[in-house]
Amino acid sequence: DVKVTQSSRYLVKRTGEKVFLECVQDMDHENMFWYRQDPGLGLRLIYFSYDVKMKEKGDIPEGYSVSREKKERFSLILESASTNQTSMYLCASREFNQPQHFGDGTRLSIL
Amino acid sequence: GEDVEQSLFLSVREGDSSVINCTYTDSSSTYLYWYKQEPGAGLQLLTYIFSNMDMKQDQRLTVLLNKKDKHLSLRIADTQTGDSAIYFCAESSGNQFYFGTGTSLTVIP
Repeated sequence: DVKVTQSSRYLVKRTGEKVFLECVQDMDHENMFWYRQDPGLGLRLIYFSYDVKMKEKGDIPEGYSVSREKKERFSLILESASTNQTSMYLCASREFNQPQHFGDGTRLSIL
Repeated sequence: GEDVEQSLFLSVREGDSSVINCTYTDSSSTYLYWYKQEPGAGLQLLTYIFSNMDMKQDQRLTVLLNKKDKHLSLRIADTQTGDSAIYFCAESSGNQFYFGTGTSLTVIP
């Protein structure tokens, strides 16, 4: 079974902090994704990556950056956290033309 | 991007069948998927169907695809309280992947 592991289930940070959300997958998948999920808005794609050191902006990249130094790890970075970034963050991975597999999510609160 | 639409809410009685509907716009979709999300958790892949299939059955789940109308449905037979969750429809074509906004299913005991 595919395993996608997000480093934290719950995280509380303060406005202005730099925040790192980590995601690791164990199936050697090429593609990895970061989404945020807010009530009534569904899943919105922040960034995705097709390969190591490669990244593409999704629909809402503002205020975020990503890092993919190794194939199995995809990190989401909030450069200077703001209260409107309080959300549920979901990481996923997939192989080409296969389903996406999701982690358990990180519920992030910015105070 | 492409549109994937679902109704927001559905309520059914325990033991009845549930039918969750989805429409999409991408005529080049290769695969269509159903995911389940329980409260506070990530999305769990339930089932998926290749675009040249009309139907797929897996225990209590039946997926129907009408490619001409771009309509996908998920039927859950004998719905149980443990089926209460948000169900997401998704479609993919190559590297593109689009999700619906999710249907919240409530099962009434």
